[in-house]
Amino acid sequence: EPEVTQTPSHQVTQMGQEVILRCVPISNHLYFYWYRQILGQKVEFLVSFYNNEISEKSEIFDDQFSVERPDGSNFTLKIRSTKLEDSAMYFCASRSTLDQGQGAKGYTFGSGTRLTVV
Amino acid sequence: AQSVSQHNHHVILSEAASLELGCNYSYGGTVNLFWYVQYPGQHLQLLLKYFSGDPLVKGIKGFEAEFIKSKFSFNLRKPSVQWSDTAEYFCAVKGDDKIIFGKGTRLHILP
Repeated sequence: EPEVTQTPSHQVTQMGQEVILRCVPISNHLYFYWYRQILGQKVEFLVSFYNNEISEKSEIFDDQFSVERPDGSNFTLKIRSTKLEDSAMYFCASRSTLDQGQGAKGYTFGSGTRLTVV
Repeated sequence: AQSVSQHNHHVILSEAASLELGCNYSYGGTVNLFWYVQYPGQHLQLLLKYFSGDPLVKGIKGFEAEFIKSKFSFNLRKPSVQWSDTAEYFCAVKGDDKIIFGKGTRLHILP
């Protein structure tokens, strides 16, 4: 079964450093997402991306965050200057169609990158 | 905007007990509803989903959920839990493009 692949699985970084979290969505999917889950809290939507631009972003996704699909296969989340409160599990997801009738049949999550900011 | 409320934050059961986890949502339009499970150290996995048709939805591993539109509820049930069901369970709703998750219910099954 096709998978969404995320690398690395765990990243430790110093406060103020830039990090790039990488995701390889399922190859025929067109819509891409980043979610995060702070330890002990719920999974929160960060951003959606379609046709090489951001479709929607949450209030969490401030100027420190950016997303990019640099080469048609990778989908990256960059945090420019990490803060302690950015420590979380970051999930990438992708899906093939916005067709409401299919719901989220094609909505597949990656295994996550655990980011620890020290 | 859509929102999801899960009433039980932590549930402890013995093996073979019956399970019901509550979930209520709010959204003005047509919704898609989901239950996801996250086993310790693993990623989110889809247990089951509802988007139309029969309001009683059967998922993997013996789980089922019932969509009750009048109550805005989508409770998860399993008649007899196993130790391997120990995990965190998230109810989620999709109204527009994104999925909104509940805060999760941590289920601990005693062997």
